[in-house]
Amino acid sequence: EPEVTQTPSHQVTQMGQEVILRCVPISNHLYFYWYRQILGQKVEFLVSFYNNEISEKSEIFDDQFSVERPDGSNFTLKIRSTKLEDSAMYFCASKPLAYEQYFGPGTRLTVT
Amino acid sequence: QKEVEQNSGPLSVPEGAIASLNCTYSDRVSQSFFWYRQYSGKSPELIMSIYSNGDKEDGRFTAQLNKASQYVSLLIRDSQPSDSATYLCAVPVSGGYNKLIFGAGTRLAVHP
Repeated sequence: EPEVTQTPSHQVTQMGQEVILRCVPISNHLYFYWYRQILGQKVEFLVSFYNNEISEKSEIFDDQFSVERPDGSNFTLKIRSTKLEDSAMYFCASKPLAYEQYFGPGTRLTVT
Repeated sequence: QKEVEQNSGPLSVPEGAIASLNCTYSDRVSQSFFWYRQYSGKSPELIMSIYSNGDKEDGRFTAQLNKASQYVSLLIRDSQPSDSATYLCAVPVSGGYNKLIFGAGTRLAVHP
């Protein structure tokens, strides 16, 4: 069964550094999302991407964040100048035309 | 602000019992509803979706929806220790690109 994959599984970075989190959505899906979950808190929406552009973004998704779909398979989240409060699990999700979103295994980002 | 509310638990049930998990949502026009299971340190895994009022059964899981009361529930029959996890209720925001609003989740503990 097709799955969303994410790399790396765990990323440790120093405050102020840039990180790129990578996702390979399910191949025939059309909508792509990034969510994050700070330890002990709710899963929260960051950004959605459709037809090669951002379709919606949350208040969290400020100029520090960017997303790209550089080729037909990868979907990346870049965080510039990381802060301590960016430490969280970051989940990529994708969906077809139907409603169900499928999540990848996540990347645990630790900012020190 | 669209909200999804769940009791945080923990909900403790003996093995073999029925676990009942509840969720209320604020957006009256919501049309689809999802239950995700999340094991500690892992990503949300879609286990049920429901779109129409009434019950939907899938194996040991039954989702129940009452749109008039803005209420959706999940029943787990014959609970097993492997069902111990946090169950997340998620509602897509209508009119957009279906970003999911998650509840805080109910932690279920099934004891032998």
